[in-house]
Amino acid sequence: NAGVTQTPKFQVLKTGQSMTLQCAQDMNHNSMYWYRQDPGMGLRLIYYSASEGTTDKGEVPNGYNVSRLNKREFSLRLESAAPSQTSVYFCASSENGNSNQPQHFGDGTRLSIL
Amino acid sequence: GQSLEQPSEVTAVEGAIVQINCTYQTSGFYGLSWYQQHDGGAPTFLSYNALDGLEETGRFSSFLSRSDSYGYLLLQELQMKDSASYFCAVRDRNNFNKFYFGSGTKLNVKP
Repeated sequence: NAGVTQTPKFQVLKTGQSMTLQCAQDMNHNSMYWYRQDPGMGLRLIYYSASEGTTDKGEVPNGYNVSRLNKREFSLRLESAAPSQTSVYFCASSENGNSNQPQHFGDGTRLSIL
Repeated sequence: GQSLEQPSEVTAVEGAIVQINCTYQTSGFYGLSWYQQHDGGAPTFLSYNALDGLEETGRFSSFLSRSDSYGYLLLQELQMKDSASYFCAVRDRNNFNKFYFGSGTKLNVKP
């Protein structure tokens, strides 16, 4: 039972390069999320998708784009990477937007931008 | 906006009880959640409080007082494996898909 799978696990980019982080879930969840976590800090929501075909901005969307490719997959794209985007990126999913539904997280992508 | 405050670090000994507090200021509140994260790992869900009072799940309990904008996570019979970071999180009342996390409390359990 894989849950939420993120690829790649590690990546080093140069400033200005582009990159797509992939996320897939096999729990038939409707809602999916992208977060970033900086050292010693909590998770900050970048974008979310409440259901297939919809995406919305979270707390820190600047510099990112997302695509909800189908119900299973939700990708995050950095068009022109900047050192400030060095972070650990987590994808998560939940059954739907109901208040008592927990989020299930992937193992993260550790991204360094030089 | 949303603001959650937690202590940055707590240390306790194996077998003891520890309480991790979370105070929040939100424009709209709909429940307080707790997540655990081991170093280098993914956050995992621990508990959720929608209403005031205590929720118990094994060695872990979570408490919420909406009138005080305050909650806590209580860990009993501490084990070495409980060494991790613990995050409180709130959902935006107007948009259940928007979560806001505290900066986390690092729990160190010593023998």
